[in-house]
Amino acid sequence: DTAVSQTPKYLVTQMGNDKSIKCEQNLGHDTMYWYKQDSKKFLKIMFSYNNKELIINETVPNRFSPKSPDKAHLNLHINSLELGDSAVYFCASSQDRQKLFFGSGTQLSVL
Amino acid sequence: QKEVEQDPGPLSVPEGAIVSLNCTYSNSAFQYFMWYRQYSRKGPELLMYTYSSGNKEDGRFTAQVDKSSKYISLFIRDSQPSDSATYLCAMSAVFGSNYQLIWGAGTKLIIKP
Repeated sequence: DTAVSQTPKYLVTQMGNDKSIKCEQNLGHDTMYWYKQDSKKFLKIMFSYNNKELIINETVPNRFSPKSPDKAHLNLHINSLELGDSAVYFCASSQDRQKLFFGSGTQLSVL
Repeated sequence: QKEVEQDPGPLSVPEGAIVSLNCTYSNSAFQYFMWYRQYSRKGPELLMYTYSSGNKEDGRFTAQVDKSSKYISLFIRDSQPSDSATYLCAMSAVFGSNYQLIWGAGTKLIIKP
């Protein structure tokens, strides 16, 4: 029974395309996040939502737009994909801000 | 200088050895200190969680925080090949009304059978 699930697991696409990644959590947590992990394994917060409201919006290009239809779902839409967007994107959720539960990641490759 | 420094490794040790993983930090305001373990092609999972200074033990794992030296450690006793993973430290504090969770870059650990 997966706690935080995100789809797709792999995403290979051309520069300039628009793509979405979906995330769902069944833990009943109030807060959800999107993180980007680069090739050197460095985790960087992108967005954080608490009960469907945006609470953290780090400096990311406005080509990235999160959407939270309810507190169990947080999707990430990316417009006009660029080569530098290639990375692993992780969804996470928490009830306690120190204890994050991560999904398995979406490996995005922009060609 | 980064806020949190962590040697990326890889750190390779024989099975059964005691492993010591470390992070240093610059901001004395950090109060919560976490260790996450990340297996290849998986998301990080919380391993240990400590508030302020001191030690915390959970089975073969011990987390240690020395706030005076701004230094945290994770010790793994009787290391197993299944402990091979990347270990990320993380720490957090509230700055004014702004909560921040800062991550280390992760140390890749390899346990050789």
